[in-house]
Amino acid sequence: KAGVTQTPRYLIKTRGQQVTLSCSPISGHRSVSWYQQTPGQGLQFLFEYFSETQRNKGNFPGRFSGRQFSNSRSEMNVSTLELGDSALYLCASSVTADTQYFGPGTRLTVL
Amino acid sequence: GENVEQHPSTLSVQEGDSAVIKCTYSDSASNYFPWYKQELGKRPQLIIDIRSNVGEKKDQRIAVTLNKTAKHFSLHITETQPEDSAVYFCAATDPRQGAQKLVFGQGTRLTINP
Repeated sequence: KAGVTQTPRYLIKTRGQQVTLSCSPISGHRSVSWYQQTPGQGLQFLFEYFSETQRNKGNFPGRFSGRQFSNSRSEMNVSTLELGDSALYLCASSVTADTQYFGPGTRLTVL
Repeated sequence: GENVEQHPSTLSVQEGDSAVIKCTYSDSASNYFPWYKQELGKRPQLIIDIRSNVGEKKDQRIAVTLNKTAKHFSLHITETQPEDSAVYFCAATDPRQGAQKLVFGQGTRLTINP
């Protein structure tokens, strides 16, 4: 099976802009979780979607949002970008209640 | 909520020696503990995991132990090789909540010296 894929792999934006990242889970996986990875804060949970519904949300401001489509593909959106949003954004998919497999990530740079 | 502490932050060992990384968690309801390896510029890869009904799990040179009473778990790598050099993350979650929220430790940068 193909692994988790994320597009784009790299993005450069300026402050105030918005960005949309995409994640395609492993075939058959219905749960998609999103994480932010930075050198200072490490890996932090953003939110998780299952069957097009957000089931859990981390401690991030409302500028961070997401959605999931009927084919389990997911997108996350960050509006009004800030310098501190520069990070590697990882998504992970799972079919069981726990084991998660990560995608390669999208490296977002905010200038 | 859950909090995971990981030690040490950096670890350097000679090739062939063993490496041990330790994590503690705060939520006694947590029942699933995965370990991920992340090489530079790559995605985190699941290397081993353990559930709370098991005390130890082994996969070739890698083993994980869990002490539920003390709320800590450890990764053991034996006969280390240069390709073991990477950042290792422990995590905890409570899947009984029906959600997939992994809480990660801060990571351990492991360097294997030839």
